[in-house]
Amino acid sequence: DVKVTQSSRYLVKRTGEKVFLECVQDMDHENMFWYRQDPGLGLRLIYFSYDVKMKEKGDIPEGYSVSREKKERFSLILESASTNQTSMYLCASSLGDRISYEQYFGPGTRLTVT
Amino acid sequence: GENVEQHPSTLSVQEGDSAVIKCTYSDSASNYFPWYKQELGKGPQLIIDIRSNVGEKKDQRIAVTLNKTAKHFSLHITETQPEDSAVYFCAVVWGAGSYQLTFGKGTKLSVIP
Repeated sequence: DVKVTQSSRYLVKRTGEKVFLECVQDMDHENMFWYRQDPGLGLRLIYFSYDVKMKEKGDIPEGYSVSREKKERFSLILESASTNQTSMYLCASSLGDRISYEQYFGPGTRLTVT
Repeated sequence: GENVEQHPSTLSVQEGDSAVIKCTYSDSASNYFPWYKQELGKGPQLIIDIRSNVGEKKDQRIAVTLNKTAKHFSLHITETQPEDSAVYFCAVVWGAGSYQLTFGKGTKLSVIP
């Protein structure tokens, strides 16, 4: 089974702090994604990566950056956390063979910025 | 980008009844239409998907139908059970050759015993 793990289930940070959210997948997937999930807004794509050191902006990249130094690990960085970044963050991965589009999700990190 | 509208946002059904959730999309080039189920405290998980060369697909109590002309697709759950209670998301591949999925806003399904 594909396993996507996220470093924390719950995280509380202060405004202005730099925050790192880590995601690791164990199935050698090419693609990795970061979403945020808010009530009534569904899942919105922040960034995705289709290869090591490659990244593309999603729908809401402002205030975020990402890093993918190794194939299995994709990090989301909040350079200076703000209260409007309080949300559930979901990481996902997919094969990248242009045949299977299925994304496998981690359990999520609920981030609170105070 | 792709626009995906999902309805209803909440749905309550009696156990044993059927549930139907509908999504409409805007990009006629979209060719892959999955449905994800998110249980409380978990990430979404794929439950069924359909490609544009197929009109209907079934897997036990769940089915998905696709109308490419009208640009809408629906999830049908028959003989609902309490464990079907969850949030369901439809999604569409964003453009030809893309890996990105654009998700609907979700439907919270409650199955009343």
